[in-house]
Amino acid sequence: GAGVSQSPSNKVTEKGKDVELRCDPISGHTALYWYRQSLGQGLEFLIYFQGNSAPDKSGLPSDRFSAERTGGSVSTLTIQRTQQEDSAVYLCASSRRTGGIYEQYFGPGTRLTVT
Amino acid sequence: ELKVEQNPLFLSMQEGKNYTIYCNYSTTSDRLYWYRQDPGKSLESLFVLLSNGAVKQEGRLMASLDTKARLSTLHITAAVHDLSATYFCAVDINNQGGKLIFGQGTELSVKP
Repeated sequence: GAGVSQSPSNKVTEKGKDVELRCDPISGHTALYWYRQSLGQGLEFLIYFQGNSAPDKSGLPSDRFSAERTGGSVSTLTIQRTQQEDSAVYLCASSRRTGGIYEQYFGPGTRLTVT
Repeated sequence: ELKVEQNPLFLSMQEGKNYTIYCNYSTTSDRLYWYRQDPGKSLESLFVLLSNGAVKQEGRLMASLDTKARLSTLHITAAVHDLSATYFCAVDINNQGGKLIFGQGTELSVKP
C-alpha cells in the first residue's frame, strides 16, 4: 500500500513569510508525528497526534510553529514568520498499534530553505 | 533531560570486516528502534527491540537491547558496500508509542 506522503518535497521561502507543509499518513494509522532534521541539531521531535487525544506539542521550538490534524488523517505543519534557522528537512511519520508497539513509518520529507 | 548517544559517529570500514555501533540512553525504556537513512532519503525501519535481552537479525545486521545497562548495539558482520548509510537508534521514552528521541546517527562508509 501507499506509504506516508509529504508535500511539497522542496520549499524555498523568504525570511518572514509563512509556510505550510502537508503530510498524508498511511491509511488506518492513528498516530502522526512531525520531526525536523538539520545538520546542527540532528533529528528532533516536534509534535505528535494520537487519535482524538490532545497533541503532544512539547517539541515545538517556538510559538511560530503550529500543527493540526484534520479528520484524524492529513496534517499540516505551519511555520509563521520563517527564520533562517528554520531551514531543515521536516519529516512526518505515522503509526498504529500492532502487537503492542507503534512502529513509525517515515515520509520522504520536505526540505525547507529560508533565504 | 533524556540523552541518546551513539558511537562512533563516523565509521569507515573495509568490506568483509565486522564492527559494532553502540547506542546508550539515559532513561528507562524497553522500546528501542534502529533506522537506516541513505543520503537524501528518508528513514527506513530496521529493527524494533521491545524487551531486555531482545536480539534481532536481518542479513548482516544484528541488533540487541540491554535495558538494565540502557544500551543497544547494532553489529555488522562481513560488511558490504551496500550497507553504507547513516544508522540511527531511537528511544520511545514513554513506552506508549509517543515521540522518539533519536541518537546523533552513525555515518557508515564501507570501502572495497
